[in-house]
Amino acid sequence: AQSVTQLGSHVSVSEGALVLLRCNYSSSVPPYLFWYVQYPNQGLQLLLKYTTGATLVKGINGFEAEFKKSETSFHLTKPSAHMSDAAEYFCAVSESVGFKTIFGAGTRLFVKA
Amino acid sequence: DADVTQTPRNRITKTGKRIMLECSQTKGHDRMYWYRQDPGLGLQLIYYSFDVKDINKGEISDGYSVSRQAQAKFSLSLESAIPNQTALYFCATSDPKVSNTGELFFGEGSRLTVL
Repeated sequence: AQSVTQLGSHVSVSEGALVLLRCNYSSSVPPYLFWYVQYPNQGLQLLLKYTTGATLVKGINGFEAEFKKSETSFHLTKPSAHMSDAAEYFCAVSESVGFKTIFGAGTRLFVKA
Repeated sequence: DADVTQTPRNRITKTGKRIMLECSQTKGHDRMYWYRQDPGLGLQLIYYSFDVKDINKGEISDGYSVSRQAQAKFSLSLESAIPNQTALYFCATSDPKVSNTGELFFGEGSRLTVL
C-alpha cells in the first residue's frame, strides 16, 4: 500500500532563505510523485511532478524536487523564499494503475520578513 | 470561470440534516473525486468515479454517498450529518487521456460545519 510522510507540520523560514520541505513515500511499484500547493481559501494546485526520467524536477515559482529512489524521498526545495510562498504544501503519490492519489498530512510554510 | 466549480462554498448545518455538495467541471475529464481535508490529516479520499457508470469507495466512505449525474457532475451527500463531518471538502478531476500520471485538478473547496 502507498503512504506518504511529510516531516514537519510547520516550517518557518526568513525571506531569502532556503526552503526545504521533506517528503518520504512508500509504494510497491514505481510511483508518480507530486507536490501540490494550497494558498489560503483556495484549492490545491500542482507545483511539480515526477513521472519517469530525470530525477530533478523543476516546477512553478522556482521550486524543484529531487526523486531519490534509494531513500524513498521527494523533498521540495527553493533557494530563496519569498513572502508569497507562504502556503500549505502537500506531497502525494499515485501508482500507475487506478490513479488513486494518496496525500501526506501537509506542511505549512511560514515566511518571515 | 473556474474549471472545477463547487457549491456551496460554505455551509453551516445541524446534526441530522441531509446535505448535498455539488461539483461540476468544464474540463471534459472522465474521472472525478471527492476528498475531505482535516487539519493535520491531509486529504482523504471519500469516493471516486472513473466514468458515469463507475462509482468506487475511497478510504473514508462511511456516512457519505455520491451520485454521478453526468460526465461533468459529481455530487456528495451526507444523509444525516454529524459534527465530526465538519471539514473542508474538495472535488477534483483527472483524465488519463490528458495526463497518464493521475494529476488532479481541484475545485476551491466547500467548507461544511455541522453543529
